[in-house]
Amino acid sequence: GAGVSQSPSNKVTEKGKDVELRCDPISGHTALYWYRQSLGQGLEFLIYFQGNSAPDKSGLPSDRFSAERTGGSVSTLTIQRTQQEDSAVYLCASSGRGRAFNEQFFGPGTRLTVL
Amino acid sequence: SQQGEEDPQALSIQEGENATMNCSYKTSINNLQWYRQNSGRGLVHLILIRSNEREKHSGRLRVTLDTSKKSSSLLITASRAADTASYFCATGGLTGGGNKLTFGTGTQLKVEL
Repeated sequence: GAGVSQSPSNKVTEKGKDVELRCDPISGHTALYWYRQSLGQGLEFLIYFQGNSAPDKSGLPSDRFSAERTGGSVSTLTIQRTQQEDSAVYLCASSGRGRAFNEQFFGPGTRLTVL
Repeated sequence: SQQGEEDPQALSIQEGENATMNCSYKTSINNLQWYRQNSGRGLVHLILIRSNEREKHSGRLRVTLDTSKKSSSLLITASRAADTASYFCATGGLTGGGNKLTFGTGTQLKVEL
């Protein structure tokens, strides 16, 4: 079956512009996570969605970052007024129920470059 | 912030040799997972070990967990050139927050022919 997909695969933007990154999780997976990977910070947790519960936003670095998950499926990560330090690979992951809950399946990522 | 430190940061071996990577972490955990990453993109889940387990095997992979020392090791036996990648340990928390993962710094493994 299809894995986690993300779009776009690459995004180049100018400082100050807003960007939207999309994640399509594996069908039926109830949990969805966003992480980012940068040279200076390694892999960092950003935000987590589980079903209809309020998302865990504890990893978002600033209020310029937000995410939503519509209909319990597709998620969009939005970065407003991008800064050069936002340049990173943004990874989305999803996981299923029960014991499968703990294994996360990652998408290929979106490489964001802020000029 | 990074939970774990991985050791070594880089490892170069010959095909057929075994590769051992170590991971240390700081807080109590529910589980510890190892992931592989090729070319700086998508992560592939390799193996998960729960906090009440001490050792787990999957094919050529062997993972150990010592919760008293807050450390884990990943052993890849009979390595192949295709094993060349970055390997990360990741810890899952105890309660709430689902299973958001905290990643280690990674080990870059190079397997040479």
